Amino acid sequence: RKEVEQDPGPFNVPEGATVAFNCTYSNSASQSFFWYRQDCRKEPKLLMSVYSSGNEDGRFTAQLNRASQYISLLIRDSKLSDSATYLCVVNDQGYSTLTFGKGTMLLVSP
Amino acid sequence: NAGVTQTPKFRILKIGQSMTLQCTQDMNHNYMYWYRQDPGMGLKLIYYSVGAGITDKGEVPNGYNVSRSTTEDFPLRLELAAPSQTSVYFCASSPQRNQPQHFGDGTRLSIL
Repeated sequence: RKEVEQDPGPFNVPEGATVAFNCTYSNSASQSFFWYRQDCRKEPKLLMSVYSSGNEDGRFTAQLNRASQYISLLIRDSKLSDSATYLCVVNDQGYSTLTFGKGTMLLVSP
Repeated sequence: NAGVTQTPKFRILKIGQSMTLQCTQDMNHNYMYWYRQDPGMGLKLIYYSVGAGITDKGEVPNGYNVSRSTTEDFPLRLELAAPSQTSVYFCASSPQRNQPQHFGDGTRLSIL
């Protein structure tokens, strides 16, 4: 099975900080990429899809680097409510399911 | 907007008991999935289905069974509960395999 790797963290940042996470994937044929957010003891929720040209949604920016096989998530002006685990998700060509990374924990402090 | 609905939300079982975790979705999605997540760990795929009547094993299928008689429902069966099956179980669905999955809010299962 192809792998999706993330730094588990935790990343401890103060409110207002900018923080970035990377995620590497091993299958160069992967086609679809997503970032999910999971709060403690809750279900994962889609944060944003990641497009080849990069995309932004408010304070969140996602980038895809196919040459180096990684995707990134940038969070600007961190809020306390951003504290969560961020899951990198990749669809492998030929597989019928998505592959979820184990997640990167973010803790935003006052 | 019900989305993916899982029942029950919590359950305690004794070793050797059996139970069915229910999952239903109202989005007419073809694909449905069952995951388990142990404390502090990532999601592990148990079984998935690409449509009514079709199911396939995921990464950790042992000790579980599934069926998919309708598009909406994808129940997960534990036949002989074991302490190692204590976990949080998430059901998810998606329109197609390369599209985002929508999750239910989980079933927290303890086996004592």
